[in-house]
Amino acid sequence: EAQVTQNPRYLITVTGKKLTVTCSQNMNHEYMSWYRQDPGLGLRQIYYSMNVEVTDKGDVPEGYKVSRKEKRNFPLILESPSPNQTSLYFCASSLSTGTRSNEQFFGPGTRLTVL
Amino acid sequence: AQSVTQLGSHVSVSEGALVLLRCNYSSSVPPYLFWYVQYPNQGLQLLLKYTSAATLVKGINGFEAEFKKSETSFHLTKPSAHMSDAAEYFCAVSKDTGRRALTFGSGTRLQVQP
Repeated sequence: EAQVTQNPRYLITVTGKKLTVTCSQNMNHEYMSWYRQDPGLGLRQIYYSMNVEVTDKGDVPEGYKVSRKEKRNFPLILESPSPNQTSLYFCASSLSTGTRSNEQFFGPGTRLTVL
Repeated sequence: AQSVTQLGSHVSVSEGALVLLRCNYSSSVPPYLFWYVQYPNQGLQLLLKYTSAATLVKGINGFEAEFKKSETSFHLTKPSAHMSDAAEYFCAVSKDTGRRALTFGSGTRLQVQP
């Protein structure tokens, strides 16, 4: 089954404790992206990657890091989480060929709480 | 710059009634527009997308949307609501080709009353 998976699905942590949220897709997509969803704000892009070893900032990158060492994986790293990073996080992937009309496929989400 | 406005954060309809969820966009380039649905505790699923091929777009689960350039709108409709349609709906516009990011509206939560 074609899918985007994220782990963990739920995480409660404390301020300053480094964490990583993993994202993996099995569709051989070049493009991957992280969004955060906050009430009343919709989804906002954090980082994106056009291909292996190619990453760049989205709209709200502060406090986050990413890496793209393999095509299928795109982990999101919070080096020193803070309470304002409490949110619902989504990973997405799509083909890079063609135009920006390509559909993005979303993972199930990771609900993060930083105390 | 691209942006999306969804009118009404909550919409309630009776089962069998027409569903109308409103979306207006602004875009400096010809837009690509999407409607996504999010069921409780799930990720986002694509309902339909507009890519300039046809102004009336049909999607899954009986939904459709009409692109109206003069009104900068892309409203989502369904003739007859089902209980299973209760979810949150997001309209999105695709940004520039480089970042390929989707700019989302703030979402509309649809309630379907029996």
